[in-house]
Amino acid sequence: NFMLTQPHSVSESPGKTVTISCTRSSGSMASNYVQWYKQRPGSAPTTVIFEDTRRPSGVPDRFSGSIDSSSNSASLTISGLKTEDEADYYCQSYDSSNHWVFGGGTKLTVL
Amino acid sequence: QVQLQESGPGLVKPSQTLSLSCSVSGGSISREGYYWTWIRQHPGKGLEWIGNIHYSGSTYYSPSLKSRITISVDTSKNQFSLKLSSVTAADTAVYYCAREEYPIGADYWGQGTLVTVSS
Repeated sequence: NFMLTQPHSVSESPGKTVTISCTRSSGSMASNYVQWYKQRPGSAPTTVIFEDTRRPSGVPDRFSGSIDSSSNSASLTISGLKTEDEADYYCQSYDSSNHWVFGGGTKLTVL
Repeated sequence: QVQLQESGPGLVKPSQTLSLSCSVSGGSISREGYYWTWIRQHPGKGLEWIGNIHYSGSTYYSPSLKSRITISVDTSKNQFSLKLSSVTAADTAVYYCAREEYPIGADYWGQGTLVTVSS
């Protein structure tokens, strides 16, 4: 099976842009869709990106997703950072047996 | 708007079976194209996928938990359930149910319920 590796934490100032990476340990990242979930303390996760690049309705276009085959990774980019973006972010994909695989999560601090 | 709500005991004794239900409202659990999923989060840790079920009864389970879990569905009640046997303190976690549209992950989540394993 494979693992998804995320940085433990990232921080950036309001108004700036931050990118969170999610690297797949084996197999092609492009072979299964990647989702990104946002989780604020004490709350359930919510989807900010699905199907690699798509945003659910209600998620601002400041959030974008991408896949980089050369580094076998997915990325979540948040531009125009706001304090309300401060949260934990998890990437998620599937293995060949339709099982979910989560990244370890990245704590985003907007300072 | 689909809503999911977990229910069940908040305290379970070691070696016993943890039983949770997830009630679905605002949509039919029998709607084609969806799986109904359990995910847990240990205190202060990341998300862990437990398994899921299709309304037909087809299931997928996490290999690490497969020997101890059973996920079932009751279409008449529009709910699905999780049973985790032989629990230990390591099973203390917030348990979430979610609706999954394979292969694009979850779109609706329950609020989560904390289950503590302790004597």
